[in-house]
Amino acid sequence: EAQVTQNPRYLITVTGKKLTVTCSQNMNHEYMSWYRQDPGLGLRQIYYSMNVEVTDKGDVPEGYKVSRKEKRNFPLILESPSPNQTSLYFCASTTPGMYNEQFFGPGTRLTVL
Amino acid sequence: AQKITQTQPGMFVQEKEAVTLDCTYDTSDPSYGLFWYKQPSSGEMIFLIYQGSYDQQNATEGRYSLNFQKARKSANLVISASQLGDSAMYFCAMRELGWISNFGNEKLTFGTGTRLTIIP
Repeated sequence: EAQVTQNPRYLITVTGKKLTVTCSQNMNHEYMSWYRQDPGLGLRQIYYSMNVEVTDKGDVPEGYKVSRKEKRNFPLILESPSPNQTSLYFCASTTPGMYNEQFFGPGTRLTVL
Repeated sequence: AQKITQTQPGMFVQEKEAVTLDCTYDTSDPSYGLFWYKQPSSGEMIFLIYQGSYDQQNATEGRYSLNFQKARKSANLVISASQLGDSAMYFCAMRELGWISNFGNEKLTFGTGTRLTIIP
């Protein structure tokens, strides 16, 4: 089954404790992206990757890091989480092209205390 | 300026009625795509329908259709014969080709969403 998986699905942590949210896709997609969803703001892009070892900032990259060492994986790293990073996070992937839908992971609900 | 505007924060509709969810967009890029996603209470994002800026006909997908009015920059989602399972958050999103500004970035710009509740 074609899918994007994320782990963990739910996470409660404390300020300053480094964490990683994993994302993996089995569709051989070149492009992957991270979004965060906040009430009243919709989804906003954090980082994206055009392919292995090629990443760039999205609209709200502060406080986040990513890496793309393998095509299928695109982890999101919060080196020192803060309460304003409490949000619902989505990983997405697609094959580049105007007409291609983006496939979203199930989401990770993160709470930073 | 907002690139995607959804002016209806919430809507209540009687079961079996048709419903229109509004979406207006703002872009100077001649090449763009418009997407609608559904987010049920479980949280996942479900792709519903797509319309390209050069498409001559309005997109349809089962009970979903997209009322695309290019001159007005609107891309409203129409759900016919609504069902209880249609209760969810609905997001309109745009992908701009933007060869200079967005090269290589397949970014979707999302609206703030409309929460649709179907009443039995």
